[in-house]
Amino acid sequence: DPKIIQKPKYLVAVTGSEKILICEQYLGHNAMYWYRQSAKKPLEFMFSYSYQKLMDNQTASSRFQPQSSKKNHLDLQITALKPDDSATYFCASSQPGQPSNERLFFGHGTKLSVL
Amino acid sequence: GDSVTQTEGLVTVTEGLPVKLNCTYQTTYLTIAFFWYVQYLNEAPQVLLKSSTDNKRTEHQGFHATLHKSSSSFHLQKSSAQLSDSALYYCALSDIASSSFSKLVFGQGTSLSVVP
Repeated sequence: DPKIIQKPKYLVAVTGSEKILICEQYLGHNAMYWYRQSAKKPLEFMFSYSYQKLMDNQTASSRFQPQSSKKNHLDLQITALKPDDSATYFCASSQPGQPSNERLFFGHGTKLSVL
Repeated sequence: GDSVTQTEGLVTVTEGLPVKLNCTYQTTYLTIAFFWYVQYLNEAPQVLLKSSTDNKRTEHQGFHATLHKSSSSFHLQKSSAQLSDSALYYCALSDIASSSFSKLVFGQGTSLSVVP
């Protein structure tokens, strides 16, 4: 069973619309992240949250807003969508402070296509 | 800034032959950890190898890598490629001195295709 659930798996949106990408993790981790994978670009760090607080933000645009309603949830709201936002968005989690667990666990991603 | 370079976008190798995926980096971090992530088709990326010790070989699932700080490299190798190794491989680095060690910097990725 997947331990990090991302919904939906595929998403098609029109330019200018707003979408929310859902992420839930059942690994008991305290830190959650969003990464983006655009065509022909490496996986790119977007946000990190720890205990539901924003720790780091590498996304220039305020159109991307993470939302954490519970410790194991980190959704991503994207407003005023643009075609350049088309990418696969990966949610990830980790448990900082435990050397044996110093790694990211990724969800399967949400593939967003903006027309 | 910090960066990871994977020079090959696609590597094709015949089953049973050795394979090497290159990874070099530039970083200002003093204490660093390196990872190789593998992403199989329609799957999530997952850790294959991890290392933070200079000149120490790390092995997993037949793959091995050695961090060489003198040459800023962390190449991935396998002596005998298998068809099931076909996947996308990412090299990544992280600063382990700060609390945000999981803010990984990824390379472009190398697609490995193992053919019969």
